[in-house]
Amino acid sequence: NAGVTQTPKFQVLKTGQSMTLQCAQDMNHEYMSWYRQDPGMGLRLIHYSVGAGITDQGEVPNGYNVSRSTTEDFPLRLLSAAPSQTSVYFCASSYSSYTDTEAFFGQGTRLTVV
Amino acid sequence: GDSVTQMEGPVTLSEEAFLTINCTYTATGYPSLFWYVQYPGEGLQLLLKATKADDKGSNKGFEATYRKETTSFHLEKGSVQVSDSAVYFCALSDWAPKETSGSRLTFGEGTQLTVNP
Repeated sequence: NAGVTQTPKFQVLKTGQSMTLQCAQDMNHEYMSWYRQDPGMGLRLIHYSVGAGITDQGEVPNGYNVSRSTTEDFPLRLLSAAPSQTSVYFCASSYSSYTDTEAFFGQGTRLTVV
Repeated sequence: GDSVTQMEGPVTLSEEAFLTINCTYTATGYPSLFWYVQYPGEGLQLLLKATKADDKGSNKGFEATYRKETTSFHLEKGSVQVSDSAVYFCALSDWAPKETSGSRLTFGEGTQLTVNP
């Protein structure tokens, strides 16, 4: 009964380093998305996917890449980390991409870029 | 574009007090509205939702009514408990501009609620 699993839970990067945040779901959900949470700004959508092989940009996509090769996995890649990317990152999945569908969230990855 | 505005926080209440957290939205289409709750150290989880005007969502004693005329979705609870202490997010889900892109969630800033015994 894992739901949405994110790894790692904590990460410290140096400016310019790259890394991949992992996200996996075991609910056979078609729709997956990545958000960043910053104080006073709520959650902002980075990228999302309506199914394997289909991705699209959200509100704040710059500096991040995604791909969706399987239904289960939706990794988020930071190409060259910057201090402005210090944030808490959440992955979410939904049964469908319809507007009334509940989103299930992972526990988050706290990233610090120094 | 779509946006969600929540009342400024944090909110501190005594146990058994009445809770209201205001939420207003701007959307171009006919969105669904949600309240999500985040307990310390955890991800967000759905508290309640409403998918059309005049719908009332309810769960665990919390209620919110979708008011299209005032573009609002205020969260209420008649008697809060210490266990309700969390961050509450109002959100809307609307269709993305591209037909193949599905829906997108837009969140408010979040309201920190602390309930003291």
